[in-house]
Amino acid sequence: GAVVSQHPSWVICKSGTSVKIECRSLDFQATTMFWYRQFPKQSLMLMATSNEGSKATYEQGVEKDKFLINHASLTLSTLTVTSAHPEDSSFYICSAIRGLADTDTQYFGPGTRLTVL
Amino acid sequence: GQNIDQPTEMTATEGAIVQINCTYQTSGFNGLFWYQQHAGEAPTFLSYNVLDGLEEKGRFSSFLSRSKGYSYLLLKELQMKDSASYLCAPMDSNYQLIWGAGTKLIIKP
Repeated sequence: GAVVSQHPSWVICKSGTSVKIECRSLDFQATTMFWYRQFPKQSLMLMATSNEGSKATYEQGVEKDKFLINHASLTLSTLTVTSAHPEDSSFYICSAIRGLADTDTQYFGPGTRLTVL
Repeated sequence: GQNIDQPTEMTATEGAIVQINCTYQTSGFNGLFWYQQHAGEAPTFLSYNVLDGLEEKGRFSSFLSRSKGYSYLLLKELQMKDSASYLCAPMDSNYQLIWGAGTKLIIKP
């Protein structure tokens, strides 16, 4: 299989606080992990691409100082939303690629629903 | 630019067959993925096509024509649990998936 987990599945925080979301590949080593954001009834929006041991590549318009990504191992990537504001409330989803043998198929975690009050 | 064109919404009857079409324009092409996304959940992988033709996987089949920039997802023997959004996502020359808003499929008894 190719199981990806995310923690927490939902979080509510106060404006100005920071929130960390973990993404883990449970039964494979992920060469690359992706972080997406999805607003209701809208398409997935890629925020950043992360490779183990190197700095994440952020998409245009995504603030790297606000959305900190750390990919410390081949099975774990974290996204930290710093100084969260209500407009950051969204569904954050990570995905992972198992490796070149798997035709770059992205396997998604279950997502984290963030609500900033 | 890069874009995806899928119908916004489709309705079908339980037990029937439905075809969801997708046309795309990308900078380069490295295959096309179909994902299923139930409301409030993350997408799940359905299929991947990189060569022209039909790929069959159980009740779901996916077709690709690279020259036409066209793909479709065929769902047979529809079940109520198939009610979801179906996302067509081609991969561009940078191996990045291009996402559209998807097609919301409503299954009626």
